[in-house]
Amino acid sequence: AQTVTQSQPEMSVQDAETVTLSCTYDTSENNYYLFWYKQPPSRQMILVIRQEAYKQQNATENRFSVNFQKAAKSFSLKISDSQLGDTAMYFCAFKGLRGSNFGNEKLTFGTGTRLTIIP
Amino acid sequence: GAGVSQSPSNKVTEKGKDVELRCDPISGHTALYWYRQSLGQGLEFLIYFQGNSAPDKSGLPSDRFSAERTGGSVSTLTIQRTQQEDSAVYLCASSSGLAGRQETQYFGPGTRLLVL
Repeated sequence: AQTVTQSQPEMSVQDAETVTLSCTYDTSENNYYLFWYKQPPSRQMILVIRQEAYKQQNATENRFSVNFQKAAKSFSLKISDSQLGDTAMYFCAFKGLRGSNFGNEKLTFGTGTRLTIIP
Repeated sequence: GAGVSQSPSNKVTEKGKDVELRCDPISGHTALYWYRQSLGQGLEFLIYFQGNSAPDKSGLPSDRFSAERTGGSVSTLTIQRTQQEDSAVYLCASSSGLAGRQETQYFGPGTRLLVL
């Protein structure tokens, strides 16, 4: 079974600074997807960024980028020029492709990192 | 277009009562998932639907939990004889369900269930 570990329960950073959230995972699969979701106080889970394991290039979405280290099974999220609206819980998630429901596997989540942006 | 919607937004019930939680996926999405988020925990998978069938219901914690989906659209999660440990936020997600393609799950706002 896959596991996802987020070792930082809480983090805080001044606005406009850069912050990196850590995520490690354990799997025996070679092909899979990784995601970062954001959950603000409204409870709505919002996709921040995703990474296909077969791609060596790290995914980027505006101020958000990842450092994907497949051999180390590490998938960290970097938020540049942080803004007050980035305050939220951030969840790292894994989706394998081995099951019969190819492409429709469940997500396995970490326990989240609560990020606070300080004005 | 409209996203995933869930109702009710909040539900308070007494121990032993039955509750029904509803999820309306994004139009055209054939895959639907239910997750549970307990206080201070990550999200725990409950059940997955492809169309009206549930190929994976491995996450349902007990036989008090059941779910159905009709017309390939709306899904209902039913908890019978609720217990205090059932208190959590229940999140629904949907995806397009096209096998072999990268699948992003889009989440609803959740139903917060409190069992007194």
